[in-house]
Amino acid sequence: QQPVQSPQAVILREGEDAVINCSSSKALYSVHWYRQKHGEAPVFLMILLKGGEQKGHDKISASFNEKKQQSSLYLTASQLSYSGTYFCGTEDQGSSNTGKLIFGQGTTLQVKP
Amino acid sequence: SAVISQKPSRDICQRGTSLTIQCQVDSQVTMMFWYRQQPGQSLTLIATANQGSEATYESGFVIDKFPISRPNLTFSTLTVSNMSPEDSSIYLCSAQSSYEQYFGPGTRLTVT
Repeated sequence: QQPVQSPQAVILREGEDAVINCSSSKALYSVHWYRQKHGEAPVFLMILLKGGEQKGHDKISASFNEKKQQSSLYLTASQLSYSGTYFCGTEDQGSSNTGKLIFGQGTTLQVKP
Repeated sequence: SAVISQKPSRDICQRGTSLTIQCQVDSQVTMMFWYRQQPGQSLTLIATANQGSEATYESGFVIDKFPISRPNLTFSTLTVSNMSPEDSSIYLCSAQSSYEQYFGPGTRLTVT
């Protein structure tokens, strides 16, 4: 079953922060986050494995709450280059280590000057 | 990380014909996958390309329609057979390396 992302769309000014949520009805093994710009391939941002860890690089970080079966992506001090559609891809525990990802419907982020 | 290339980048095909899409990875990877993405939509997994054995298809996708080959650890092909306009989409391959999954640039297919 497809994970649910919220919000569907968000518009920010440069320097503002945003949070994108990804929620699944299934117990998860891992959550993958991607950003896709129009006409381009999805770009890998980070992966979170079960264990409730939080990861990050630069001003983008993410958390994974295994018990709640959800993950959140945090974008701080947003830049124009952050614009795009963000997808979470989930690997449920029944498919652990198969690499089979089910993607959410996407969150469109637009950063304005 | 893995760098992935796909050929062709786009094609326009006639109904009833077939198209084979190639996917090349710059390093050996254990897992390769094929996805489909309608413009403006999410990604849907078609199948896992298994090296040395038959591909594993997801619900709604069958081997006769989407035959897949994976002759080695760096290369795979997806064929879209007996195409109809409903097959118009972007087809992406991906490769997994150390849990991280990377995508190729995609093949934009239009069926007329």
